[in-house]
This record gives sequence, C-alpha cells and structure tokens, in this order.
Amino acid sequence: DAGVTQSPTHLIKTRGQQVTLRCSPKSGHDTVSWYQQALGQGPQFIFQYYEEEERQRGNFPDRFSGHQFPNYSSELNVNALLLGDSALYLCASSRDWEAFFGQGTRLTVV
Amino acid sequence: KQEVTQIPAALSVPEGENLVLNCSFTDSAIYNLQWFRQDPGKGLTSLLLIQSSQREQTSGRLNASLDKSSGRSTLYIAASQPGDSATYLCAVRSDGGSQGNLIFGKGTKLSVKP
Repeated sequence: DAGVTQSPTHLIKTRGQQVTLRCSPKSGHDTVSWYQQALGQGPQFIFQYYEEEERQRGNFPDRFSGHQFPNYSSELNVNALLLGDSALYLCASSRDWEAFFGQGTRLTVV
Repeated sequence: KQEVTQIPAALSVPEGENLVLNCSFTDSAIYNLQWFRQDPGKGLTSLLLIQSSQREQTSGRLNASLDKSSGRSTLYIAASQPGDSATYLCAVRSDGGSQGNLIFGKGTKLSVKP
C-alpha cells in the first residue's frame, strides 16, 4: 500500500512566478490537507480538501489555492511567489482520526 | 486560539538513556493528539495517536500519555538508540471533529550519542 506521495521533491522558482505542487493520498483516504513548514518551525495549516471542495482554510493569502480531483489527489498552487514562500510543503491525508504525511516538496524561491 | 508548546527545544542524551519529551496546549477541548517524528528535510512519520478519551498509547519503546485537563502530553522513549535521533513534533486536532486541522508545536530536536 503506497503511502502519501508528493511531487516534485525539490524545485527552485524565481520571485513572481507561479508553482503547482501535487499530492496523491494514501489509499482509501478522502481528505487532503496542505501544510507549510519553514525552517526550524512546526508545520502551519494552509487548507483542507474534502469531496473536491475546500473545507477549512488557515491564515494564508489568496495567492495560495488548491484543487482536489475525483480520485482524491490534490494540487497546491501558489501565485506571485515571494522569497518568504521558501519552505517545505507537506501534504497529509486522513480518513478517520489519524493523519499521514508525505515526504514533502522543498520549494526554494530566489 | 490553540497554541502548542514543546519543551525542551533540543535534547542530547547518551545511548541507552530513558527520556521524556513534553508537549503542552492551551485549549483542553481537543479531539486527539498525535506525535510525529521528522528526519532532517523529510516528511513526518506518525508515531502515536491518542484520542481525547484515552490516557496513553504504547508502541514498542514509545509511550505517550495525555492529560487533557492540564493540557499536557508526554512522549517517553525507553532505552534510546542513535537511530532515534530526529525532531519530534506534537500536534493537536481541535475543531472540525476528526477531520479538523492539526496545530503543531515547534518540535524537540533529539540527539542520541553512541
């Protein structure tokens, strides 16, 4: 059983560009959440998707948007990248109670 | 607003020692609490999940306890090994029931010296 998979693992973008990160949830999981983890900090909740709709959102600007597909996979889009968006982006899937995380995507904005 | 604090921020111990990591949260109305391990630059690995109605959970050398009324959880690691070196994160799930978002502490960085 494959766990949560994220792609790509690393990428470098230029300030002002747009980026799309992808996540495939654990088999049988219908809820996907995205988190941003800055260096030395705990992960911060961005938003959560369930049944292809955004169900909850953390304190992130509208530049951060997402999508969930019928197969429960998800995308995180960030527009107009800032240097401060450099972080590890983590995807988590859950069905009941317990969250499982992917290996993350390391985004560097230069 | 729920806040999660982990103490200490870093801990270095010799191999074989038993140790305790601490986690505190400000709002006792939690749904569950989860402990994670994170290796440098990697994702999070779930270690233990404690439901709000439970007092503790055990897995191998790990034991996690939960005291909701005092807003505290501890992760006990027995007979530590160099392979236990990692950052340990505590997270609580508050609103939204079972699918609510997780609120994390900043973690405790553990180093186990051979």
